Amino acid sequence: GAVVSQHPSRVICKSGTSVKIECRSLDFQATTMFWYRQFPKQSLMLMATSNEGSKATYEQGVEKDKFLINHASLTLSTLTVTSAHPEDSSFYICSARDRGLLPQHFGDGTRLSIL
Amino acid sequence: TQLLEQSPQFLSIQEGENLTVYCNSSSVFSSLQWYRQEPGEGPVLLVTVVTGGEVKKLKRLTFQFGDARKDSSLHITAAQPGDTGLYLCAGAGDNAGNMLTFGGGTRLMVKP
Repeated sequence: GAVVSQHPSRVICKSGTSVKIECRSLDFQATTMFWYRQFPKQSLMLMATSNEGSKATYEQGVEKDKFLINHASLTLSTLTVTSAHPEDSSFYICSARDRGLLPQHFGDGTRLSIL
Repeated sequence: TQLLEQSPQFLSIQEGENLTVYCNSSSVFSSLQWYRQEPGEGPVLLVTVVTGGEVKKLKRLTFQFGDARKDSSLHITAAQPGDTGLYLCAGAGDNAGNMLTFGGGTRLMVKP
């Protein structure tokens, strides 16, 4: 079945550091990938939609300059949390669709902890 | 904005008991997915339902999509400790983007 790989699985870093998270579709092409944020014991909250070769679409309330998204190829999207602060600590999850079709397949998430 | 209400939020039951999780909306969805998520991992797809009134079975799990495609349920028969986890329903709209709207999740704990 479709596999989505997310890396790294866990990051612990100091406040002010920028952190890059990668999301790869391993056996299919993904024109669209999605980035979610999940707080403890809560559901997934869509942050942005990443479109290959074009600008990402951000959900209301999500800072574009804070969460930089790049989707340079059909198999890779990256999320960079710039100048991260403790309030950015969370579980970030990406998902991708094969040729734009449902269902979405999810990566294993990245636990980001900012000290 | 499409909203998907999921209930109950928490469920703690004994092994062997049955349970049902509900997802309800006032909006129509083109399809609905059910996911199961374990701590520290991403959601894993259990099933996709597309047709109004559709019923799908996956071993002890039975999924139903409402006739009007506005609601869905997940029924687990004879729950086992291995069923413990966060269950998420997610509806896809009719828009071209096919973005998912997630329910709030149901945290299930099955005690041995």
